Amino acid sequence: NAGVMQNPRHLVRRRGQEARLRCSPMKGHSHVYWYRQLPEEGLKFMVYLQKENIIDESGMPKERFSAEFPKEGPSILRIQQVVRGDSAAYFCASSPATGGGNEQFFGPGTRLTVL
Amino acid sequence: GDSVTQMEGPVTLSEEAFLTINCTYTATGYPSLFWYVQYPGEGLQLLLKATKADDKGSNKGFEATYRKETTSFHLEKGSVQVSDSAVYFCALSDPPQTGANNLFFGTGTRLTVIP
Repeated sequence: NAGVMQNPRHLVRRRGQEARLRCSPMKGHSHVYWYRQLPEEGLKFMVYLQKENIIDESGMPKERFSAEFPKEGPSILRIQQVVRGDSAAYFCASSPATGGGNEQFFGPGTRLTVL
Repeated sequence: GDSVTQMEGPVTLSEEAFLTINCTYTATGYPSLFWYVQYPGEGLQLLLKATKADDKGSNKGFEATYRKETTSFHLEKGSVQVSDSAVYFCALSDPPQTGANNLFFGTGTRLTVIP
């Protein structure tokens, strides 16, 4: 049973370009979470999605960031017009059910570098 | 709001030394508590968890006890190995009845074990 998959593992973009990060949850998991980890910091929650629905986006920046989890295919975190401050590791996690206490399984992360 | 405060690192220990990494939290009700470990270049892996007061989570020689009275979840290991070198994150999630799903992370503690 494959774990959470993220691609690409490393992504380099110039300022003003778009970044697309993909996440395939574990088989049987319908809940996806995105977190951002700035250098030397802990992870910060960004958004929680179920298939075709954004459930909680309280951690998402109001501009340039968007996320989706379509009926078919991976979840996508999209960052438009990237800036240097977007450089970070972006982690996706999935869980089989909702609610506190349920383990979230993390992917290896995508490390975004903005030049 | 919910938050997690972790002992600042980095921590450097000799092999077979005793490890304690302090973690305290602020939350309403009875959150679930977790320790995650991140090895270099990898995503987070769940190390152990506890979902109610006085529960003890344990795995791979690591232990942590959910202390409601001191709002703490300190991580301990009696004898560390070089392979334990990693970054350790304390985290919490709100109780299931709140409907919340995201994890709140501490800033992480980097542990280096030297032979």
